[in-house]
Amino acid sequence: DTEVTQTPKHLVMGMTNKKSLKCEQHMGHRAMYWYKQKAKKPPELMFVYSYEKLSINESVPSRFSPECPNSSLLNLHLHALQPEDSALYLCASSQPRGKSSPLHFGNGTRLTVT
Amino acid sequence: AQRVTQPEKLLSVFKGAPVELKCNYSYSGSPELFWYVQYSRQRLQLLLRHISRESIKGFTADLNKGETSFHLKKPFAQEEDSAMYYCALSGRPGGTSYGKLTFGQGTILTVHP
Repeated sequence: DTEVTQTPKHLVMGMTNKKSLKCEQHMGHRAMYWYKQKAKKPPELMFVYSYEKLSINESVPSRFSPECPNSSLLNLHLHALQPEDSALYLCASSQPRGKSSPLHFGNGTRLTVT
Repeated sequence: AQRVTQPEKLLSVFKGAPVELKCNYSYSGSPELFWYVQYSRQRLQLLLRHISRESIKGFTADLNKGETSFHLKKPFAQEEDSAMYYCALSGRPGGTSYGKLTFGQGTILTVHP
């Protein structure tokens, strides 16, 4: 299995809702990432987990809360989002530091905040 | 700070013509450079990485450390090459910024029949 799987594909939520995005990989990668991509813009790094520990947080607002329950799963919990948070959220995985490995991206979750 | 610059937002060529997508970078150290491609309605996927020195789908890219460039080239463009292309940079494995992939703004390549 050489894929990163993200669910759901699409999500519409109100500003008071709580929802979660899920990401799964079975490539044995020990680094996992969340990126945010606005239309016709490059992906922007949000969080990096290495060996299930948060190693990079790019000053993301606390309404986004990542979680890495095990080496195959990565979640992004969403609460009290704003309309400007509407975007494509991409999950990626790779080998962690010390091993050269490109990032493998999922198809993304298209989030709309109303 | 690491930065990637793709000067062309849009690039149009005719089928069979050569194509070059430009990429310049700024990084204090030895980076890893990548080209990622995003076809319409498909996931972002790796096209090339400089350490592999391989040719994928007829594309090549050479790292020029003197000019801090990593331009993507193909001698004969095909219609199926139409896509968004991102140049990206990461620190070397073992470094603190490894995995922190910084993308350029992207170039939309359109190959006309």
